[in-house]
Amino acid sequence: NAGVTQTPKFQVLKTGQSMTLQCAQDMNHNSMYWYRQDPGMGLRLIYYSASEGTTDKGEVPNGYNVSRLNKREFSLRLESAAPSQTSVYFCASSEKASWDTQYFGPGTRLTVL
Amino acid sequence: AQSVAQPEDQVNVAEGNPLTVKCTYSVSGNPYLFWYVQYPNRGLQFLLKYITGDNLVKGSYGFEAEFNKSQTSFHLKKPSALVSDSALYFCAVSPRGGGNKLTFGTGTQLKVEL
Repeated sequence: NAGVTQTPKFQVLKTGQSMTLQCAQDMNHNSMYWYRQDPGMGLRLIYYSASEGTTDKGEVPNGYNVSRLNKREFSLRLESAAPSQTSVYFCASSEKASWDTQYFGPGTRLTVL
Repeated sequence: AQSVAQPEDQVNVAEGNPLTVKCTYSVSGNPYLFWYVQYPNRGLQFLLKYITGDNLVKGSYGFEAEFNKSQTSFHLKKPSALVSDSALYFCAVSPRGGGNKLTFGTGTQLKVEL
């Protein structure tokens, strides 16, 4: 099992450009998540999907959109990138219960110039 | 709203000595608590979690953590540190009945030296 995979691994954008970060999991999990990691701030939840067909905002959703394409895939889109969105982005998946362990992908390092 | 505090940005310890990485939390009701580790340029790896029952939780790689409800703490410990334990450690909390939405601390960099 590959677990949680993310593409691309690295990306450089210019301000105003758009892009989509892809995430897929092969653990048959119901819930998926997008986080961003910034130095000194830990991980912050951007959006999550408790189950296929549902999405909801997390702590820092502004400037992002998501799509739960099917049970396996959850994408994050930046419509008009800004330098403040320079970060490392992690996707995770889990079952739905509050005590279930989340499993993380390897991350995408995004730089917006 | 829930929150997690990791008061130390960095912890230095000599190999073979015991280590402690501190975590305190604030949440309504009883929490679920997690520890994750991140090695350079990698994603987060699960170490252990507290759900209910025994306050001492044992996890991967010889790590353990003690849930203390009165002090709202969940400190990570290991009896004998290894150089390979050097990494960034995150504590996280999930409230009961709130869906599986983790709130993370800011992380503690552990450095184990020979």
